[in-house]
Amino acid sequence: GAVVSQHPSWVICKSGTSVKIECRSLDFQATTMFWYRQFPKQSLMLMATSNEGSKATYEQGVEKDKFLINHASLTLSTLTVTSAHPEDSSFYICSAPLAGVDIQYFGAGTRLSVL
Amino acid sequence: GQQLNQSPQSMFIQEGEDVSMNCTSSSIFNTWLWYKQDPGEGPVLLIALYKAGELTSNGRLTAQFGITRKDSFLNISASIPSDVGIYFCAGRTLWNTPLVFGKGTRLSVIA
Repeated sequence: GAVVSQHPSWVICKSGTSVKIECRSLDFQATTMFWYRQFPKQSLMLMATSNEGSKATYEQGVEKDKFLINHASLTLSTLTVTSAHPEDSSFYICSAPLAGVDIQYFGAGTRLSVL
Repeated sequence: GQQLNQSPQSMFIQEGEDVSMNCTSSSIFNTWLWYKQDPGEGPVLLIALYKAGELTSNGRLTAQFGITRKDSFLNISASIPSDVGIYFCAGRTLWNTPLVFGKGTRLSVIA
């Protein structure tokens, strides 16, 4: 299957700093990518839809100034958590749909711990 | 908004037993996907379903797209310890739109 690479897999940062998470489609192009957040023992919650060359679409309740999304190329989307606080600690996962087969492939996730 | 009800929430079974879990939706889906997630990892696709009534197998796993297009089930036969994990159903109505996820079924296999 198609591969989606997510980096870093684990990051620890101080409160108030910003953290950037990268999501890459390694062997296919993705004009759209999705960012999810997952709390322990819960399901995936969609945060935003990243669109190549245009603004991201954020779900209700997700602060766009807090979670900056950039989809600068057909294989890369980034999520930046700005001025991180402990309540931002979570597991962040990206996914990309593979055109023509209606399947979404997921990255391995990034565990963010804000101290 | 769309909601998926996934059941059961958790299961404890003996190695070798068969497992069944299902999802129901309040609205019609055109695609049903089943994923497995291991701790600290992203979801991995198990089976994709595209047509009402479709029955698809992947090794010991079998999934079906309900005739009403509002439900799907996943069966695992002869469970083994590595089947442990969280299984999610997911569906959507249109291609390239976000998936709607169930809340997951946490499977534990007792050797």
